[in-house]
Amino acid sequence: LAKTTQPISMDSYEGQEVNITCSHNNIATNDYITWYQQFPSQGPRFIIQGYKTKVTNEVASLFIPADRKSSTLSLPRVSLSDTAVYYCLVGDAYSGNTPLVFGKGTRLSVIA
Amino acid sequence: GAVVSQHPSWVICKSGTSVKIECRSLDFQATTMFWYRQFPKQSLMLMATSNEGSKATYEQGVEKDKFLINHASLTLSTLTVTSAHPEDSSFYICSAADRDNQPQHFGDGTRLSIL
Repeated sequence: LAKTTQPISMDSYEGQEVNITCSHNNIATNDYITWYQQFPSQGPRFIIQGYKTKVTNEVASLFIPADRKSSTLSLPRVSLSDTAVYYCLVGDAYSGNTPLVFGKGTRLSVIA
Repeated sequence: GAVVSQHPSWVICKSGTSVKIECRSLDFQATTMFWYRQFPKQSLMLMATSNEGSKATYEQGVEKDKFLINHASLTLSTLTVTSAHPEDSSFYICSAADRDNQPQHFGDGTRLSIL
């Protein structure tokens, strides 16, 4: 699985848009990009997944440039409850038989 | 959506005790489930792949006789930490996917504290 690199931590004020960028220079043709969110003492929760260009759902947007060597998770108007660790993962379409390899993640702190 | 449930949420026990953690897929069948361990302020580390009806596959450095995995049905995998010691204290999390090409869903984890 391709290795990912993310900032260790980020701070943001409530109401701001937060963009977390992940580098994955060795991404393979069949790899998808998936982001998970983890609160303290809880399991990771799926946020969004994409292959190229832009994906948007009710929670976030995922921007993937043409070379796919990086991706950006965008959280609109964050609130205190968005304080969590965000993991970027890259892998082969995440079949049910493929374990996930987690990097260190980005610890987002939202400040009032 | 797909739901994965873990039980118990918290376990506190004495050193030398064996502890069983259950992972259930509530609304789907999972031939494969995964077990992860997470120490404070660290990321999730894959421990083993649990395969329904066959032996689990363990990651390097994970003792199979220490961490017994049983996946006897399509909706239940169990992890038993045998003769637990304080260094086994950690957050144990399981995951499963309800079908191919779908993101995996995680349980809410089990906090294990060995005194």
